[in-house]
Amino acid sequence: ETAVFQTPNYHVTQVGNEVSFNCKQTLGHDTMYWYKQDSKKLLKIMFSYNNKQLIVNETVPRRFSPQSSDKAHLNLRIKSVEPEDSAVYLCASSYRGRGEQFFGPGTRLTVL
Amino acid sequence: GQQVQQSPASLVLQEGENAELQCNFSTSLNSMQWFYQRPGGSLVSLFYNPSGTKHSGRLTSTTVIKERRSSLHISSSQTTDSGTYLCAYITGNTGKLIFGLGTTLQVQP
Repeated sequence: ETAVFQTPNYHVTQVGNEVSFNCKQTLGHDTMYWYKQDSKKLLKIMFSYNNKQLIVNETVPRRFSPQSSDKAHLNLRIKSVEPEDSAVYLCASSYRGRGEQFFGPGTRLTVL
Repeated sequence: GQQVQQSPASLVLQEGENAELQCNFSTSLNSMQWFYQRPGGSLVSLFYNPSGTKHSGRLTSTTVIKERRSSLHISSSQTTDSGTYLCAYITGNTGKLIFGLGTTLQVQP
C-alpha cells in the first residue's frame, strides 16, 4: 500500500523548460528527501527537509530548488532543464531523519 | 571510490535455489537498509537493520556493524524475486542514505 505519493509518473520536456514534481507522504513522518537515480542506476541524495527546514543540500546545480509547505509535502522544481537532468527522481520520508525510509514510485524525467 | 560495495553485481538462479547478496561499507555507519527495486523503478523496503539478524518470509538480513557489512539471504528463490536489490547505509544525523549500485537477480523457471 503506497504511503508516499509522487506526481507525475512520467514527464517529457524540451531543454530549457521548467518542470515541477510533487511528493506527499501520509505516514506522519517529519523528514522528507529527494533522490536522483541516473542512467547508471546509482541513487544519490539531493535534498532533505525536516519539518519544512532544509537540512541536506548536496552538490546540486542551482537550477534545482526544493519547496516544502508542511512536513507532509516536498516538491522539486527544475528551472531550465538540461539533458543530464534525465533521470528518475525518487521521494522518500522517515521519522526524525534516522529511521527506516519509505520511497514513492518515482517520477521519470526525459529531457529532449 | 564507491562507499558501498555490493556483490555480486548480477546473479542468475534457477527457481528454488538460494541466493546470498553481500554489502560492504567503507565507513562507519549508524544503520543500513535493504531495498528491492521493481523493474518499473519503485523501491520497496525489505529490512531496516541497525544490527543483527532479521527474518521476513524467505528473506534473512544479517548486519555486523563493527565489520561494516551486511548480507541478504533469499531462500527457495522464485521468478517473482527477479529485480534489483539495493543496500544503503545511514550516516550522520541527517538520515541521508548512501546507496550501492545493486545486485541484479534473475530467477529462471
